[in-house]
Amino acid sequence: DIQMTQSPSSLSASVGNRVTITCRASQSISTYLSWYQQRPGKAPNLLIYAASSLQSGVPSRFSGSGSGTDFTLTISSLQPEDFATYYCQQSYSTPYSFGQGTMLEIK
Amino acid sequence: QVQLQESGPGLVKPSGTLSLTCAVSGGSISSSNWWTWVRQPPGKGLEWIGEIHYSGSTNYNPSLKSRVTISGDKAKNQFSLKLNSVTAADTAVYYCARVGGYRSFDIWGQGTMVTVSS
Repeated sequence: DIQMTQSPSSLSASVGNRVTITCRASQSISTYLSWYQQRPGKAPNLLIYAASSLQSGVPSRFSGSGSGTDFTLTISSLQPEDFATYYCQQSYSTPYSFGQGTMLEIK
Repeated sequence: QVQLQESGPGLVKPSGTLSLTCAVSGGSISSSNWWTWVRQPPGKGLEWIGEIHYSGSTNYNPSLKSRVTISGDKAKNQFSLKLNSVTAADTAVYYCARVGGYRSFDIWGQGTMVTVSS
């Protein structure tokens, strides 16, 4: 099974800041990597698929990069609605697996 | 647009069977997509349970494979999850989702909380 490790587990930042979250796979997953945002009490929402493709309707301040085993999610200028938990997920092979999550909090 | 809605009992007794249904609207379960179940224990992360294709093919998480069955009902345009021999560790919010491009989960239901307790 492929293990996904996110860092950091939590992050404090201010509105307007640029933040980066990293995700590492235990083996190469090509670009079969997605990023999700989850607000409290809500279902996850797809932000990025194929490592760097922006899902329709998602603001352009979100971007993704990487291939193989190392990936990043960047938010260029934090907005109040961006404070949430973020998960990466590999879909290269089953069982599909998620990172443990990164909680983004307001500083 | 496609929408998903989970339904089922919110309380299941230990050793019993958890049964949930995901109704698909605005699209057909018989499209080329896969359809999947994910769960999230309270305060914890996301766990993939398994998936089904409109053809009936399935894939399951080995950690649950001996207890889980995912099936589809084309006539009702829905798919279902059954998890046997449940324990308190199966208490979670259960989500259904559509598998989209690059096998991302692009549309999610709102989720349904299932508690395992006597």
